[in-house]
Formats: sequence, structure tokens, C-alpha cells
Amino acid sequence: ETGVTQTPRHLVMGMTNKKSLKCEQHLGHNAMYWYKQSAKKPLELMFVYSLEERVENNSVPSRFSPECPNSSHLFLHLHTLQPEDSALYLCASSHERSGANVLTFGAGSRLTVL
Amino acid sequence: GQSLEQPSEVTAVEGAIVQINCTYQTSGFYGLSWYQQHDGGAPTFLSYNALDGLEETGRFSSFLSRSDSYGYLLLQELQMKDSASYFCAVKRNFNKFYFGSGTKLNVKP
Repeated sequence: ETGVTQTPRHLVMGMTNKKSLKCEQHLGHNAMYWYKQSAKKPLELMFVYSLEERVENNSVPSRFSPECPNSSHLFLHLHTLQPEDSALYLCASSHERSGANVLTFGAGSRLTVL
Repeated sequence: GQSLEQPSEVTAVEGAIVQINCTYQTSGFYGLSWYQQHDGGAPTFLSYNALDGLEETGRFSSFLSRSDSYGYLLLQELQMKDSASYFCAVKRNFNKFYFGSGTKLNVKP
């Protein structure tokens, strides 16, 4: 248990489904992140929320929609996904203050799009 | 934008020393991090260098040369449990971290 909890751990969905991934942290951090991890590719930064404001939307397709209702919770809403979106989605958090250089990751949500 | 390059795979024997290199190109560079990820696990933080030089934490050391846009992770006295993927990551403004594609380290008996 890293202090960052992601649910569900595994998700299979069809291309027309709508689902959400959830991330929760109780570390007192105030920045949260979504990363996508595919085989043989770098971890791709998707979204960054700092103090509940989105500060990065890294050219992510609109079929991915993030939501950060408070500093402890982060969601990734999914709709009309494509098979190439199948990947491990990792949530991370950090504390945004000078010298805060550590990301704490959750275990990830393994998404399969059929 | 940014790009990071690191070898895709390295093999070493137990008890040996291995160095994993990382070269990067980015604007707004704040520092270089290293993370370890075992198969099926989450990435975990190993080290962070903001200034040039060597940082040592137990068996692991990390080095940064900002002028060369280069860093490395040094693992000493390798153990079987060190078999994992190792990622370098650059930190940019607003606490954004961009990762390389990882180096798979295989430790053999």
C-alpha cells in the first residue's frame, strides 16, 4: 500500500461504454497526476492537477475527461474509447512546495478496451 | 517538448555494479529523478538530482551533469531483487514530471 489507492485494478470495457477510474490519496498532497503506461513506451503524462486546478492537459483526446473534486480525489472518466487506449493508467500525487520532488504512485488500473 | 533516452535493457550478475544512463532534452529543467518499477507493481521513487554531482543512498547513487543534459543511476552490490525496470524523469515547471521509456535490468545469479 503506497498511500495512493486506485480502483478498479482491472477494467474491461467495450468501445461504446462509459466508465470511470478513481484515485484517492491520504498523504496530504496537493498535486495529483494521471499517467498512461503502454508496453515499450514512456509513461505518458496525461493530466496534472495542482491545488485542484488543472495545469496540464497533455494533448489528450477528449474521450478522456479528468475530474478533481478535492485534493484527495481524482477521477478519469472514459467514454467511446479505442482499442489503442488499452494500457495501465497510473495515478500519482506529490506535495507542491519548493523542494517537493517525489511522486507517489498508485498500483494502477489495467484497462482493456475491446 | 522533451525527450529522454535510456537503454532498453541491461543484464548484470549478482554482486556486480551497473550504470544506467539517461540523456534528456527539455526546456524549463528543474531536476532529474529515478524510479524503480517491478513487474506488476507501481513505480517507486529512488532519487532526485537538482544540482550537478553525485547523490548516494545506500547501494544506489545518482549523478547529474546539467551542462551535458546527462545523468545516470549506479547500482552497487546487485541483488536478485534489483531486477526491475528503472525510469529517469525530468522535472519541469509546475511540478510536471516527464519519463523515459525505462531500462529493464536483469540480474543473474
